[in-house]
Amino acid sequence: QKEVEQNSGPLSVPEGAIASLNCTYSDRGSQSFFWYRQYSGKSPELIMFIYSNGDKEDGRFTAQLNKASQYVSLLIRDSQPSDSATYLCAGKDFGNEKLTFGTGTRLTIIP
Amino acid sequence: GAGVSQTPSNKVTEKGKYVELRCDPISGHTALYWYRQSLGQGPEFLIYFQGTGAADDSGLPNDRFFAVRPEGSVSTLKIQRTERGDSAVYLCASSSDLGGDTDTQYFGPGTRLTVL
Repeated sequence: QKEVEQNSGPLSVPEGAIASLNCTYSDRGSQSFFWYRQYSGKSPELIMFIYSNGDKEDGRFTAQLNKASQYVSLLIRDSQPSDSATYLCAGKDFGNEKLTFGTGTRLTIIP
Repeated sequence: GAGVSQTPSNKVTEKGKYVELRCDPISGHTALYWYRQSLGQGPEFLIYFQGTGAADDSGLPNDRFFAVRPEGSVSTLKIQRTERGDSAVYLCASSSDLGGDTDTQYFGPGTRLTVL
């Protein structure tokens, strides 16, 4: 059973601080990882993807992938109240189009 | 259209009834996906279409669930003899499926299905 695991939270972070969201996966065949943000009652929207070991930065967001440890993380710098949402981690195997999602981590930014 | 659209946005039905959920993908996207999301959970894969054919239907929970995409664009998810456990938000996504492992799936707003 391929699994993607996330701490469901809630995770509370003061405004302006760094929010760190973590995800582990069990399938070493997983090649690509996606972070989606989902506001309550809305559909998931992609924040960023990563497939190479190391860090990938996009604005206030940094994704980190460590394939040896089977670990993916998302850092949000200068957290804003609008970042309050559920963050979904998803993995994808090489040659397989379906995404396997974690349960999501609920993040609350405290003004 | 600008994004993935799904209809209806909400569907309430009675146990045992038949329902159809529709998805209209982003224009030009060849790949279409159906997921189901229960409260407090991440989306769960159901089926993936490449063009008109179902390339992977391994996520369909049982034979009450069926999906079609006859012209390679709009897709319909069909659920027969609905059960209360089918209540969830059904999400549709599409991607350009250019062959890379990072093809982005864009999600529609979902259909909230409630089986009474």
